[in-house]
Amino acid sequence: NAGVMQNPRHLVRRRGQEARLRCSPMKGHSHVYWYRQLPEEGLKFMVYLQKENIIDESGMPKERFSAEFPKEGPSILRIQQVVRGDSAAYFCASSHLAGGTDTQYFGPGTRLTVL
Amino acid sequence: DAKTTQPNSMESNEEEPVHLPCNHSTISGTDYIHWYRQLPSQGPEYVIHGLTSNVNNRMASLAIAEDRKSSTLILHRATLRDAAVYYCILNGNAGNMLTFGGGTRLMVKP
Repeated sequence: NAGVMQNPRHLVRRRGQEARLRCSPMKGHSHVYWYRQLPEEGLKFMVYLQKENIIDESGMPKERFSAEFPKEGPSILRIQQVVRGDSAAYFCASSHLAGGTDTQYFGPGTRLTVL
Repeated sequence: DAKTTQPNSMESNEEEPVHLPCNHSTISGTDYIHWYRQLPSQGPEYVIHGLTSNVNNRMASLAIAEDRKSSTLILHRATLRDAAVYYCILNGNAGNMLTFGGGTRLMVKP
């Protein structure tokens, strides 16, 4: 059973460009979470999605950031008009259930560098 | 989610047991205690979780205080590969996000 897959692993963008980060959850998992880790900082929750629905986006910046998890295909985290402060590692996690008992499985992350 | 407090860093010798403490004095009755670790340049990795009773798995053991206000992650024989940041996280049934604090950076000396 393949783990959580993320691509690309490394992404370089110039200021003002768009970044698209993809996440394929583990087989059978319908819950997806995105986290961001700024350099030398801890991980911060961004958004929680189930198939075709955003459940909690309390950690997402209000502008330029969006996320989706379509019925078919991977979850996408989209950052429009990137700025240098968006440079970070973005991790996706998936789980089978949701709540206190369930485990989140993390992908290897996408490291975004904005020039 | 309730807050946890962990030491910033700890050191251990290879092949020796390691006890990583976590304080969570404001834990609620429905909060599960989860431990994750993050090796350098990798995504977090689940280690273990529990509610009230001590738990064992192939990676570690989790000892939970009777009043649940603290817990200890036990690595029975540290290896160099166990050098990582270890996060103690409380996750209630109503919540879905994991709230990562600073964690404990474990250094393992050969």
